[in-house]
Amino acid sequence: DVKVTQSSRYLVKRTGEKVFLECVQDMDHENMFWYRQDPGLGLRLIYFSYDVKMKEKGDIPEGYSVSREKKERFSLILESASTNQTSMYLCASEPAPAYGNQPQHFGDGTRLSIL
Amino acid sequence: AQSVTQLDSHVSVSEGTPVLLRCNYSSSYSPSLFWYVQHPNKGLQLLLKYTSAATLVKGINGFEAEFKKSETSFHLTKPSAHMSDAAEYFCVVRWGNQFYFGTGTSLTVIP
Repeated sequence: DVKVTQSSRYLVKRTGEKVFLECVQDMDHENMFWYRQDPGLGLRLIYFSYDVKMKEKGDIPEGYSVSREKKERFSLILESASTNQTSMYLCASEPAPAYGNQPQHFGDGTRLSIL
Repeated sequence: AQSVTQLDSHVSVSEGTPVLLRCNYSSSYSPSLFWYVQHPNKGLQLLLKYTSAATLVKGINGFEAEFKKSETSFHLTKPSAHMSDAAEYFCVVRWGNQFYFGTGTSLTVIP
């Protein structure tokens, strides 16, 4: 089974702090994704990466950056955390090329609170 | 623009009764379709995925979904609800290399 591990289940940070959310997958997947989940809005794509050192903006990249130095690890960075970034963050991965009925595999999420 | 619509934000059923969670998509061609389940404070778990081999797809935990191209629908069903089915359910569509999520349906199971 594919395992996608997010380093923290719950995280509390203060406004203005630099925050790192880490995600590791163990299936040698090329593609990795960061989503945020908010009630009534479903999942929204923040950033994704198709390979090491590659990144692409998703639908809501403002206020975030990412890093992918190794294939198995994809980090989401909040450069200066703000209260409107309080949310559930989900990491996902899939093999490439992504096509047809290939599913994405999700971690358990990090519930981040910014005070 | 592509879109995925889950027609009910909340569904309540009694234990032992059937479950129907509705999903429609907009597309000019056949997409790839999935249902995921999310239990409280957990990630998304794949329930089932549509393959062109059959329009009725069986998934885990007794769930099924039927692809109806003429109706652009992919509704999720289960004959008999169990307490452990209480969760959030997401209909997801892949167009090209992108996933598009519905806004979710929260299923409550009443004992």
